[in-house]
Amino acid sequence: AAGVIQSPRHLIKEKRETATLKCYPIPRHDTVYWYQQGPGQDPQFLISFYEKMQSDKGSIPDRFSAQQFSDYHSELNMSSLELGDSALYFCASSSVGGISGADTQYFGPGTRLTVL
Amino acid sequence: AQSVTQPDIHITVSEGASLELRCNYSYGATPYLFWYVQSPGQGLQLLLKYFSGDTLVQGIKGFEAEFKRSQSSFNLRKPSVHWSDAAEYFCAVGPLTTDSWGKLQFGAGTQVVVTP
Repeated sequence: AAGVIQSPRHLIKEKRETATLKCYPIPRHDTVYWYQQGPGQDPQFLISFYEKMQSDKGSIPDRFSAQQFSDYHSELNMSSLELGDSALYFCASSSVGGISGADTQYFGPGTRLTVL
Repeated sequence: AQSVTQPDIHITVSEGASLELRCNYSYGATPYLFWYVQSPGQGLQLLLKYFSGDTLVQGIKGFEAEFKRSQSSFNLRKPSVHWSDAAEYFCAVGPLTTDSWGKLQFGAGTQVVVTP
């Protein structure tokens, strides 16, 4: 079965640079979620999109932005990178419109971002 | 405040022995409950979920979980552990509020080590 695809899998950037993470949801899934997992931490919700509109926002820094495109893939753009942004970034997708908690989120393998 | 608690940070179990991981939540109503497993450097794989109905839920890889409303718990169990079960296990709940669009809140995780 098709899974959530994330690219790149690994990314190394310098401080103050920008990074773009991409997420391709499971086919026919209409909702995408982004999570950040710091070293030894649990995943923290950043932002979600339903039908290309932002549906919820968590603890996402103003330096980060995201969007969902017409083909439902999503991109997380990170600017002015800081050392503390080094983390594993997960994308998850679901298919029940994100309207209720009954939608099951399926996670991608993550993008490991290292900021030097 | 709403919260998810996994009391055990680290558990060591012998191969073939039984395993139980604890998860407690604090919410105004019964949330939707999930268990995910994360192998080192890997993404989050869904083990099982509880939305409603039968309080004993069967999942993949021989895992099961029991929802106990009176104890606000959703403990994960496996009768006989295999070496491949060594991983980090996350309990998650969602939604947090009626307008949270299904974002998940994770517990801190339990690291499971399997010894020969």
